[in-house]
Amino acid sequence: EADIYQTPRYLVIGTGKKITLECSQTMGHDKMYWYQQDPGMELHLIHYSYGVNSTEKGDLSSESTVSRIRTEHFPLTLESARPSHTSQYLCASNRQGIHEQYFGPGTRLTVT
Amino acid sequence: QKEVEQDPGPLSVPEGAIVSLNCTYSNSAFQYFMWYRQYSRKGPELLMYTYSSGNKEDGRFTAQVDKSSKYISLFIRDSQPSDSATYLCAMGPNSGGSNYKLTFGKGTLLTVNP
Repeated sequence: EADIYQTPRYLVIGTGKKITLECSQTMGHDKMYWYQQDPGMELHLIHYSYGVNSTEKGDLSSESTVSRIRTEHFPLTLESARPSHTSQYLCASNRQGIHEQYFGPGTRLTVT
Repeated sequence: QKEVEQDPGPLSVPEGAIVSLNCTYSNSAFQYFMWYRQYSRKGPELLMYTYSSGNKEDGRFTAQVDKSSKYISLFIRDSQPSDSATYLCAMGPNSGGSNYKLTFGKGTLLTVNP
């Protein structure tokens, strides 16, 4: 079982608030990813990182930002939450040379 | 045309049935293939992965890849109520570089009735 953690699991917050979704993994994986998942839709990659101090935007445009200061930690920040940000956010990781990704439990965000 | 197509279902079967879940893809660069299981309000859990055409078996699960037809399948034998979940196919190119991004299907919702 993958050791990848996300907090909070559920978050309800008002419009305009700044939020940070946490993701940590204890497997020493150098690659980490953030996906957005809406009901009945594909997972969409919004950010990824191939190592410390490396971050890239994914295929889906997102108003969020990420940082990768430590190998095990890949937080996602929304500076000003809007109702359109309501979604499930999934963090994943894997090792260099490995294609299969391991997912955390997800954060379900609701912006009112 | 989406790169990966997956019938969203829902699919409802009786306990003990053989289940067949399928995805088609259009990108011939896809070389590795995965199936994930996702229970409600949980993250996807890796079930199986394969890099080659043919069959790969793991317990009650068999993953099948046909690269010539760009078609992959997951078979579940002797299905159990605990198999009720959404099943996602995922695939990616083996570019040899640092591009390890996956493309996912929408997922098929499976219910196994006792």
